[in-house]
Amino acid sequence: DTAVSQTPKYLVTQMGNDKSIKCEQNLGHDTMYWYKQDSKKFLKIMFSYNNKELIINETVPNRFSPKSPDKAHLNLHINSLELGDSAVYFCASSRSRSGSFPDTQYFGPGTRLTVL
Amino acid sequence: AQSVTQLGSHVSVSEGALVLLRCNYSSSVPPYLFWYVQYPNQGLQLLLKYTTGATLVKGINGFEAEFKKSETSFHLTKPSAHMSDAAEYFCAVSSFSSGSARQLTFGSGTQLTVLP
Repeated sequence: DTAVSQTPKYLVTQMGNDKSIKCEQNLGHDTMYWYKQDSKKFLKIMFSYNNKELIINETVPNRFSPKSPDKAHLNLHINSLELGDSAVYFCASSRSRSGSFPDTQYFGPGTRLTVL
Repeated sequence: AQSVTQLGSHVSVSEGALVLLRCNYSSSVPPYLFWYVQYPNQGLQLLLKYTTGATLVKGINGFEAEFKKSETSFHLTKPSAHMSDAAEYFCAVSSFSSGSARQLTFGSGTQLTVLP
């Protein structure tokens, strides 16, 4: 069973389009994350939700909007796609958001977005 | 702010040779440190983590890392490289963002190549 799954795996689209990436985790975790990995493999956090509540919102354009219908799902919607949005987007989850020690984050397989 | 620096974006070793991947951290508080591995076209997988206690941490696939506070380092080692170890390796530090939520800050990654 896949712990953290993402769909689609590949996404090729034109500039200006709107697209969504879906993420689901079956680990029973409370916290989910979106990361962006650029062409140089640099990973940066974008958002984090804890039990459907937004808790981390890094400096990300307003065109990116996360949506969490329940704590097992965190989807990423991107409006008016730009060339610079091309990257690999990873979803991750962890048991909790805080606590004395950090919980392990489990990552999905990634979605490679290409904007033409 | 906490950060990690990985020295060497590319490391090549011969099969059977020692693997040493370097990571230095910057933190004003006791750090929680991680090593993740990313195989081609896959998500990140936790190798090992240091939270507290023993400074030599053993992980999966024969990897280990030693937390050295005096050197602010958390280098990853494996005594004998295997072809299957070829991957991208990321060092990360856990820190609190706003709202008391933990987040991972990643280094820029090190691509490990294993030569036959």
